[in-house]
Amino acid sequence: QQQVKQSPQSLIVQKGGISIINCAYENTAFDYFPWYQQFPGKGPALLIAIRPDVSEKKEGRFTISFNKSAKQFSLHIMDSQPGDSATYFCAASITSGTYKYIFGTGTRLKVLA
Amino acid sequence: NAGVTQTPKFRILKIGQSMTLQCAQDMNHNYMYWYRQDPGMGLKLIYYSVGAGITDKGEVPNGYNVSRSTTEDFPLRLELAAPSQTSVYFCASSRTGGQPQHFGDGTRLSIL
Repeated sequence: QQQVKQSPQSLIVQKGGISIINCAYENTAFDYFPWYQQFPGKGPALLIAIRPDVSEKKEGRFTISFNKSAKQFSLHIMDSQPGDSATYFCAASITSGTYKYIFGTGTRLKVLA
Repeated sequence: NAGVTQTPKFRILKIGQSMTLQCAQDMNHNYMYWYRQDPGMGLKLIYYSVGAGITDKGEVPNGYNVSRSTTEDFPLRLELAAPSQTSVYFCASSRTGGQPQHFGDGTRLSIL
């Protein structure tokens, strides 16, 4: 019940295309869902996050869509650029508890020029 | 601001050796975390701390120890290195539990 399942494992997108990464969770107590971006040799960096009281959050070219009933959330990268090539991790947390993150297994995105 | 600083960046250990991975943050964050990252496995929480003097186990604590004597520092100790501990280790911090976690750039550890 503590798992967060992330797909796909890897993704290749043409420049200008839309990248979509999906995550699913089981524990309905999760109430904070961040996405992290990681470049080779670097630590993960917070990209965007959402709480379950909204169904969508947009920041620039990055959008999180959240489906509470299906227990799924996804990251959409619009107008994907070669500089977006990185590994993306979703995570889930219970903010009223110990705030520990449960991470997905990551998606390696490559955007072709 | 340096943020979260981890040292060393790389290390090779022999089986049975011990070492301490250092982590320091200059953001006055109360919460600190240690993760390990293995290929295709995401990040697994090893230990975490909610303040100086307070630590608790995460998902994969076996073979590791931590201490938190100051707000700034959260070292991770490997007592008897085993090949299964070959991994990339990340330290993170957050102001409180409900705030985003900020990560260091990791320590790449190989045990041969």
